[in-house]
Amino acid sequence: DIQLTQSPSFLSASVGDRVTITCRASQGINNYLAWYQQKPGKAPKLLIYAASTLQSGVPSRFSGSGSGTEFTLTISSLQPEDFATYYCQQLNSYPFTFGQGTKLEI
Amino acid sequence: QVQLVQSGAEVKKPGASVKVSCKASGDTFTGYYLHWVRQAPGQGLEWMGWINPNSGGTNYAQKFQGRVTMTRDTSISTAYMELSRLRSDDTAVYYCAEETVTNEGMDVWGQGTTVAVSS
Repeated sequence: DIQLTQSPSFLSASVGDRVTITCRASQGINNYLAWYQQKPGKAPKLLIYAASTLQSGVPSRFSGSGSGTEFTLTISSLQPEDFATYYCQQLNSYPFTFGQGTKLEI
Repeated sequence: QVQLVQSGAEVKKPGASVKVSCKASGDTFTGYYLHWVRQAPGQGLEWMGWINPNSGGTNYAQKFQGRVTMTRDTSISTAYMELSRLRSDDTAVYYCAEETVTNEGMDVWGQGTTVAVSS
């Protein structure tokens, strides 16, 4: 199975900050990487797919980059509604594994 | 766009089975792969497998092979996930989610179904 390791696991930030979350894969995943945002008690929401493509309706302050085995999610200017947990997921090979999550808090 | 509505919370005893439903509305049910993902309390997301609603074909994570069965009823646009021989560590929220475009992530999610396993 492909392992995804996110860093950091916890991130403390303030409104207006620029933050970056990293997702490292144990082997190459051909950029088949998605990022999700999850708020407490809610289902995950797709933010980014194919490593860098913004899902329709997602604010442009979110961006994704990377290739091969290292990927990043960047939020350019944190808004109050962005405080949540973020997960990466690889869709290159089965099982479609997730990272362990990054909790973004104030 | 499709909406996915899941069945209600369940409480089961160890060793029992649970069957969770996921009803699609608003779009072509048979057009997209339907995945199941679970989340134990305070933990991360875990992919369980998918069903192709058109063909009925399935792909299960090896961890769940032999215990999980994913089916669908196209006449009522509903998919099902049945998990057998339940253990306490199967206590989780179970989500169905649609992958509208292959390899581009799960873009439509159900609201989740809580399954509690307790003696």
